[in-house]
Amino acid sequence: DGGITQSPKYLFRKEGQNVTLSCEQNLNHDAMYWYRQDPGQGLRLIYYSQIVNDFQKGDIAEGYSVSREKKESFPLTVTSAQKNPTAFYLCASSMPGMQGYEQYFGPGTRLTVT
Amino acid sequence: QKEVEQNSGPLSVPEGAIASLNCTYSDRGSQSFFWYRQYSGKSPELIMSIYSNGDKEDGRFTAQLNKASQYVSLLIRDSQPSDSATYLCAVKKAAGNKLTFGGGTRVLVKP
Repeated sequence: DGGITQSPKYLFRKEGQNVTLSCEQNLNHDAMYWYRQDPGQGLRLIYYSQIVNDFQKGDIAEGYSVSREKKESFPLTVTSAQKNPTAFYLCASSMPGMQGYEQYFGPGTRLTVT
Repeated sequence: QKEVEQNSGPLSVPEGAIASLNCTYSDRGSQSFFWYRQYSGKSPELIMSIYSNGDKEDGRFTAQLNKASQYVSLLIRDSQPSDSATYLCAVKKAAGNKLTFGGGTRVLVKP
């Protein structure tokens, strides 16, 4: 089955710890994205990557880092510098230029930092 | 002014009625428009995409786009309780490959 996987589904961390969220896709999509969603809010873009070994900051990149070493994988690290890390994190992928940039989402990771 | 605006709701509709959701956007050069459905606690699911002015129908869903007035709407016909969810509008601006999302409209379909 083609799709996007995110792990883990739930993640709990203590303040001051870095944590890495996994995102893998087997859709052969070039572009991948990380969003953050807070309760009752829309999606805010953290980072995105249009090609391997290249990525750009989104609207709220401070306190986050990413890497894109393989086409299939786009892990997100939430660092201790992120002031309010508790949120629902969503990974998406798309094939820019085809289908009008439709993005498809993984199931999400719910991060709680105490 | 937000780049993509939606009424947060909740929009309450009786079962079998038509739910009408609206979305306005600020970038006149925007090219592609998407509607996502998000159930509580789940990730967004793409339900409609529209790229040119007019209507596009897919089952019980109809997307309507009016670029001159900078709005896109979603109609849900014969609403069912299973349609109760938050609907997110997303817009691709003229430049770049990113989507900008509205805050979502929560829909409640009452039996």
